[in-house]
Amino acid sequence: NAGVTQTPKFQVLKTGQSMTLQCAQDMNHNSMYWYRQDPGMGLRLIYYSASEGTTDKGEVPNGYNVSRLNKREFSLRLESAAPSQTSVYFCASSGNTGFYGYTFGSGTRLTVV
Amino acid sequence: QKEVEQNSGPLSVPEGAIASLNCTYSDRGSQSFFWYRQYSGKSPELIMSIYSNGDKEDGRFTAQLNKASQYVSLLIRDSQPSDSATYLCAVNPGSARQLTFGSGTQLTVLP
Repeated sequence: NAGVTQTPKFQVLKTGQSMTLQCAQDMNHNSMYWYRQDPGMGLRLIYYSASEGTTDKGEVPNGYNVSRLNKREFSLRLESAAPSQTSVYFCASSGNTGFYGYTFGSGTRLTVV
Repeated sequence: QKEVEQNSGPLSVPEGAIASLNCTYSDRGSQSFFWYRQYSGKSPELIMSIYSNGDKEDGRFTAQLNKASQYVSLLIRDSQPSDSATYLCAVNPGSARQLTFGSGTQLTVLP
């Protein structure tokens, strides 16, 4: 099915471990986003990439890095995981700067112990 | 003031009733408006988009936009238990900025 694919769906990390969340879209969208969602906090933007070759910080970038590998793929890296990064992570993509909305991936549920 | 505000709820309605969800936004230059539905443990799903003042209907869903008053609403007619979810309002502020999301309203439709 066309859309946004995230891997993995679930992950448990120990404090200090690193990992990369993968995201790929096949809708030929220019823009891609990484959000985290915590109970009572809503969706918070971590990083975004308006177009291939560019990335920018969002509301909560500390502790994360991103790579826009090509037009299809946008990865999120946790270099040294902390319990505060326990969350559900969503990747999204859009064309035309989001005028027509975003399409979300199915999410990654991350637990840091 | 939050850029996009929604009543957090929870909102409960009986099956068959009309559910009314409201959202206000602060940026008068906002250009497009969206309602997402999010089931527990799932990702947000776009269910309605609206771009101009007035009503837009899609099946049992009606989105209403009033740019002068800076609010957007979602009506769900003949509510079903399967409509029970959190509904997120999102606003595109224009100027190549990212969507701004409200914190969501949790809706429960009681059988």
